[in-house]
This record gives sequence, C-alpha cells and structure tokens, in this order.
Amino acid sequence: EVQLVESGGGLVQPGGSLRLSCAASGFTFSAYWMTWVRQAPGKGLEWVAYIKGDGSEIHYVDSVKGRFIISRDNAKNSLYLQLNSLRAEDTAVYHCVRAYWGLFDFWGQGALVTVSS
Amino acid sequence: DIQMTQSPSSLSASVGDRVTITCRASQDISNYLAWYQQKPGKAPKPLIYAASSLQSGVPSKFSGSGSGTEFTLTISSLQPEDFATYFCHQHNAYPFTFGGGTKVEI
Repeated sequence: EVQLVESGGGLVQPGGSLRLSCAASGFTFSAYWMTWVRQAPGKGLEWVAYIKGDGSEIHYVDSVKGRFIISRDNAKNSLYLQLNSLRAEDTAVYHCVRAYWGLFDFWGQGALVTVSS
Repeated sequence: DIQMTQSPSSLSASVGDRVTITCRASQDISNYLAWYQQKPGKAPKPLIYAASSLQSGVPSKFSGSGSGTEFTLTISSLQPEDFATYFCHQHNAYPFTFGGGTKVEI
C-alpha cells in the first residue's frame, strides 16, 4: 500500500525557515517524480515544486523560486521541502504527492505551515 | 502561465442528478488534464487522467471529456458520497496549475 506521511510543519515567524519531510513507502520511490502541492486555509490547490526520480530535474512555481528547495534521498525513501524567507501568504497545508505521467496519483494528508508573528 | 477556469464555482444538486463541471484552459493543453475530488479535511483523490481515462478504482459514474482548451467532468447520478469539491489540473506546461474548484452541495 502506498503511503506518504509528512512531518515538520508548525508555526514560524515571517522571514523564518522550516523543513518539511515526507516518508514514502509501498512503492519504488526512486522510480517516481514527486511533488509538493499546497492549499491555503479555505482556498484552492497550488502546485509548488516537482523533482524527478533521480533528482536530476527540478521545477518550481515562480512565487517560491529562490526561497524553497525541493530535494530527495532515495536511500531513505524521503522527500523534503526547505522553506526559507517565509511569508504570511505561504501559510497552507503542504501535501507530499506522487506523480505518475503528470497525474498526482497518491497524496499525503499534509503538514500545516503557519507563518505568523 | 496557463490559467484554468472552472465553472460553476459551486452548484446545488439532488441525489440522482446528472452533474457537469467545465474547465477551460487559457491555451491548448492537449489532453494533459486531470480531475480530483476533495472532501473536507481530506487530501484530494484522483478521478480522471488524460482528460477522459478513469483512474483505477473510481466508479464509472464519473466520466471526463474534452481536449485542447475545453474539458468537462460529468457525474451521471449523484450519490450522497459525491458531495465534495472538484478540481481540474493541467500538467502540459510548467507551472502546473489547478482550477479554482467546484463545490457540489446538496
């Protein structure tokens, strides 16, 4: 059974940093692109970042370029998102998601990041 | 960026109704479109991929159609478990983008 479990969310001040982790199981992690998708409270979905199975290709939405870093450790079956220079508008639930030919086919329950002073 | 415009943003329907949701892309995305269902407090669940292919395990009352810039999601006979929010998603070009969502209410 595919499982994606996020951790590392919490309350952080504007300008602060946070690192989200996602533990993956139930599939060959290194064979899949992985992505982070966020959802602000009561709002829609926003794609954040995307990383190829071997880590050789990465893409970001413009609003997080230069501030967020997606990475993965295939030996640990783990996906990460380093969030720097956080802003109030980054407040959201961050979902770790498996991608298969562009379809986001398995989602974690998400980690809440709250940016507030 | 490719803008995805969903309509309506919300709708009221009854059990047994046929429901259609539309998604329009601001430019041609071929068939690189997926549909997701989200219930309150839960992660989204994929329903349709490649515009019209049913994801494994999804009941056949859900169907998708379209290509290019116009797409539809149809629920043939609405059941109580189908009351949720539905999102379209394009993965033709970066940045990937989602529609604003359609909330289906009783």
